[in-house]
Amino acid sequence: AQTVTQSQPEMSVQEAETVTLSCTYDTSESDYYLFWYKQPPSRQMILVIRQEAYKQQNATENRFSVNFQKAAKSFSLKISDSQLGDAAMYFCAYIANYGGSQGNLIFGKGTKLSVKP
Amino acid sequence: SQTIHQWPATLVQPVGSPLSLECTVEGTSNPNLYWYRQAAGRGLQLLFYSVGIGQISSEVPQNLSASRPQDRQFILSSKKLLLSDSGFYLCAWSVLGITDTQYFGPGTRLTVL
Repeated sequence: AQTVTQSQPEMSVQEAETVTLSCTYDTSESDYYLFWYKQPPSRQMILVIRQEAYKQQNATENRFSVNFQKAAKSFSLKISDSQLGDAAMYFCAYIANYGGSQGNLIFGKGTKLSVKP
Repeated sequence: SQTIHQWPATLVQPVGSPLSLECTVEGTSNPNLYWYRQAAGRGLQLLFYSVGIGQISSEVPQNLSASRPQDRQFILSSKKLLLSDSGFYLCAWSVLGITDTQYFGPGTRLTVL
């Protein structure tokens, strides 16, 4: 069974500093997609970044970037120049491409990020 | 641009009462629609998904049901709520298929007393 593990329940970072959130996943599939979602106190899930497994280049979105290590099944999120608004729960998620019309987006349990002024 | 709405935002219901949560999407046609539940301190669990009107697939056997009466409307229901149904319910949509990014609504916080 596919699983997603976030080993850091809580993290803290100083404003303007850099922080890395860890995520590992277990799968026997070769074609899949990985996501990081942010859930602020409002609790609406917001997409941060997406990575296709077939792409070797790490995805980047402004201050957010990932370190995708396919062989190690690792997908960490780096937040640069942290801002107070980055404080939130961060969820790593995975979905396999079975070639059909639907698959199950599997989430980790989340990492709570605090940003100190 | 596409938007997704959920209501109500908050709901407190007694055990044994019925439930109806509604989700609507604007600005897109024939979306895939999803219902997730997030229990306290946990990640999201997929409950139902729909690839078209009247087409519902259940991921987890439970006390809940879903319906899709219109292309952009997705409803989560229960005839009799249980205490274990409490949680945060999120609706999501995607367009291009299985691996397309899912976008989430603002959610409904359900408390069953």
